[in-house]
Amino acid sequence: DQQVKQNSPSLSVQEGRISILNCDYTNSMFDYFLWYKKYPAEGPTFLISISSIKDKNEDGRFTVFLNKSAKHLSLHIVPSQPGDSAVYFCAASASSGGSNYKLTFGKGTLLTVNP
Amino acid sequence: ETGVTQSPTHLIKTRGQQVTLRCSSQSGHNTVSWYQQALGQGPQFIFQYYREEENGRGNFPPRFSGLQFPNYSSELNVNALELDDSALYLCASSSSPKSGANVLTFGAGSRLTVL
Repeated sequence: DQQVKQNSPSLSVQEGRISILNCDYTNSMFDYFLWYKKYPAEGPTFLISISSIKDKNEDGRFTVFLNKSAKHLSLHIVPSQPGDSAVYFCAASASSGGSNYKLTFGKGTLLTVNP
Repeated sequence: ETGVTQSPTHLIKTRGQQVTLRCSSQSGHNTVSWYQQALGQGPQFIFQYYREEENGRGNFPPRFSGLQFPNYSSELNVNALELDDSALYLCASSSSPKSGANVLTFGAGSRLTVL
């Protein structure tokens, strides 16, 4: 049973346009959400996060939106750049419930930004 | 500040063999977590080590075991290898055993192929 779902395996956008990556979750105990970016032959690197007490967090070109009632979050990249081409993982954690030591990841979305 | 380093980067084993993967945590980090990333999947939590003891475990059988040393480096051992153990094994360090706001720093991984 996948608790974090990224239903789009891939996304292709033009340079300069907006990239929107989506993530859904099923576990109501999740209260912290993160996005990681992964280039080939490298480990995932942290990009941006959001606590469940917020509905938006912005860092430069990256903005994460959280809709708790829909159990949905999205990552917006504006403007998209060719260097953003990578696999993006959505991850979630629960601060209570006895498993506050781990992240639960989605399967990832491959973003390709075309020049 | 050194990042997380893992060794070996690639290895090939046959069914039934045993493997040891190694990880050096980022300077200043006292917690190490291990994740398995199968092809086309997101990273899946194996276990976490904090203060040289297992602090939490995912849904993996006992033939997956680990160690953490006084310098916070860690090993992942897998006995009686099976074909399904073929995956990228990611080590991540952090400054706290709690997930969420404590961002994980990942290594580039060890790619294990079981024939």
